[in-house]
Amino acid sequence: EAQVTQNPRYLITVTGKKLTVTCSQNMNHEYMSWYRQDPGLGLRQIYYSMNVEATDKGDVPEGYKVSRKEKRNFPLILESPSPNQTSLYFCASSLRGGPGTTSYEQYFGPGTRLTVT
Amino acid sequence: GNSVTQMEGPVTLSEEAFLTINCTYTATGYPSLFWYVQYPGEGLQLLLKATKADDKGSNKGFEATYRKETTSFHLEKGSVQVSDSAVYFCALSDPTGNQFYFGTGTSLTVIP
Repeated sequence: EAQVTQNPRYLITVTGKKLTVTCSQNMNHEYMSWYRQDPGLGLRQIYYSMNVEATDKGDVPEGYKVSRKEKRNFPLILESPSPNQTSLYFCASSLRGGPGTTSYEQYFGPGTRLTVT
Repeated sequence: GNSVTQMEGPVTLSEEAFLTINCTYTATGYPSLFWYVQYPGEGLQLLLKATKADDKGSNKGFEATYRKETTSFHLEKGSVQVSDSAVYFCALSDPTGNQFYFGTGTSLTVIP
């Protein structure tokens, strides 16, 4: 089954304790992206990756890191989480990104609910 | 800059009523426009899209037309069902195809 998986689905942590949220897709997609969803703000893009070893900032990258060492995986790293990073996080993938490819559908994972106390 | 403004909810309709959810955008260049739907506890799913002016996207009875002159992409459905209850997001991608901007979402509840 074609899917985007995220782990963990739920995470409660404390301020300053480094964490990683994993994202994996099995569709051989080149493009992957991370979003956070907050009430009244909708989804905001954190980082995206056009392909292996090619990442760039979205709208709200502060406090986050990403890496893309393999095509299928795109982990989101919070090196020193703070309470304002409490949110619902979604990973998404698409066949391709870049000019002329905006018709490609993004497939979203089920979300990771993160609480930082 | 790029942004999407969406009609605030929540919206409650009776089954078989007509649905309109307004969406307007601000963008540099020529964006592509999308409607995504989120069912409770799930990720977003693409509902429909339009990639150039005057294009009409349609799926499952929903329609939206890319209006460049009014910078709008309103979602419509002629007769909603209980199963349409969800949160609907309007979104745009910039001309690079890499950056995406979403509206705040509109919650729809359809009652029998």
